[in-house]
Amino acid sequence: DIQMTQSPSSLSASVGDRVTITCRASQTVGRSVNWYQHQPGKAPKLLIYAASNLQTGVPSRFSGFGSGTDFTLTITSLQLEDFATYYCQQSSSAHQFTFGQGTKVEIK
Amino acid sequence: QVQLVQSGSELKKPGASVKISCKASGYTFGTYPLTWVRQAPGQGLEWMGWINTNTGNPTFAQDFTGRFVLSLDTSVSTAYLQINSLKAEDTAVYYCARDRGLTAAGAPRFYRFYVMDVWGQGTTVTVSS
Repeated sequence: DIQMTQSPSSLSASVGDRVTITCRASQTVGRSVNWYQHQPGKAPKLLIYAASNLQTGVPSRFSGFGSGTDFTLTITSLQLEDFATYYCQQSSSAHQFTFGQGTKVEIK
Repeated sequence: QVQLVQSGSELKKPGASVKISCKASGYTFGTYPLTWVRQAPGQGLEWMGWINTNTGNPTFAQDFTGRFVLSLDTSVSTAYLQINSLKAEDTAVYYCARDRGLTAAGAPRFYRFYVMDVWGQGTTVTVSS
């Protein structure tokens, strides 16, 4: 099974900061990596798909990069509503998914 | 609008069964598979499995075989997750999500990148004696 390892597991940042989260796959997954935002008490929300494609309606301060085994999610100019837990997810086999363990972004 | 609406919270005793529903609206039910995700207290998201909404054929992740059942009632555009022989460690929030294949720039037109693009609101299952 493909494992997804995120780092860091948590971080503290201030409004306006630039934040980068990394995700490494245990084997190559091409560009089949998605990123989700999960706020407490809400359903997860798709932010980025296919490594770098912004889902409709997601602010442009979110961006993704990577291919193969190494991927990043960057949030430029962090906003209050961005404090949440972020998950990478691989989907290299149709309908089979694996999540990373999550990165909690907290207010400094 | 496209939405998935799940059934309400459940409190069950160990050894009992629970059946959670996920009702789809705003799109043709059989067009996309439905997938299920678990979040145990203090833990991350875990993919549990998916069901083909045309054939009803389920597929489970390795950790979710045996006690877990996925089913459909296509007449009411609803998918179900049933968990049998409940254990305390089944206490979690369970989400259903639509599994959709998207195209992306730079990839062949026939290639699909699979995502969970619409989610239910989650159903909390608590297992306690």
